Amino acid sequence: AQSVSQHNHHVILSEAASLELGCNYSYGGTVNLFWYVQYPGQHLQLLLKYFSGDPLVKGIKGFEAEFIKSKFSFNLRKPSVQWSDTAEYFCAVNTNRDDKIIFGKGTRLHILP
Amino acid sequence: DAGVTQSPTHLIKTRGQQVTLRCSPISGHKSVSWYQQVLGQGPQFIFQYYEKEERGRGNFPDRFSARQFPNYSSELNVNALLLGDSALYLCASSGNPYEQYFGPGTRLTVT
Repeated sequence: AQSVSQHNHHVILSEAASLELGCNYSYGGTVNLFWYVQYPGQHLQLLLKYFSGDPLVKGIKGFEAEFIKSKFSFNLRKPSVQWSDTAEYFCAVNTNRDDKIIFGKGTRLHILP
Repeated sequence: DAGVTQSPTHLIKTRGQQVTLRCSPISGHKSVSWYQQVLGQGPQFIFQYYEKEERGRGNFPDRFSARQFPNYSSELNVNALLLGDSALYLCASSGNPYEQYFGPGTRLTVT
């Protein structure tokens, strides 16, 4: 069965620090990969996605993620975080065999001003 | 354009009761999916409907059912509610089956 593992449950950083959130998935076939963000009081929003092609994908608000197939990983990065990045981040995977999206448990990111 | 809308926003029910949650997809989207998000967890897939047909079902008991209407809106029904059904229920619509847009959710509390 497919699964998604997010390494960090809670991350606290100061503004301007660099961010990397880990994500690993388990599935041997072709995958589509996503990062969703949930800001306080708001609904889930798509941050970025990978379907095929360049494994380095850029999303909104300066976020990027790199797909490393050999490591089954899709880590999220941002060179310099802002207080407004405080949110919960979910890594998710979908396969071409199935329409459902499998989510990780989420990482709660808290940025100190 | 309006995003995915869900109603009601909040709901409080008693154990054993039945509940119906509603979702309207983004205009032009023909696929609707339902997810359950328990506090501290990521969303878990319940159902997906496309053109009124069930396309996928997650690992949920038969107390959970859903349907999609000709206008692509959808309802999620849960019978014989249990305390453990308390959660945020999310609806997502998609034009592309692999890219889903989420609504604000319905917060269900079972007492």
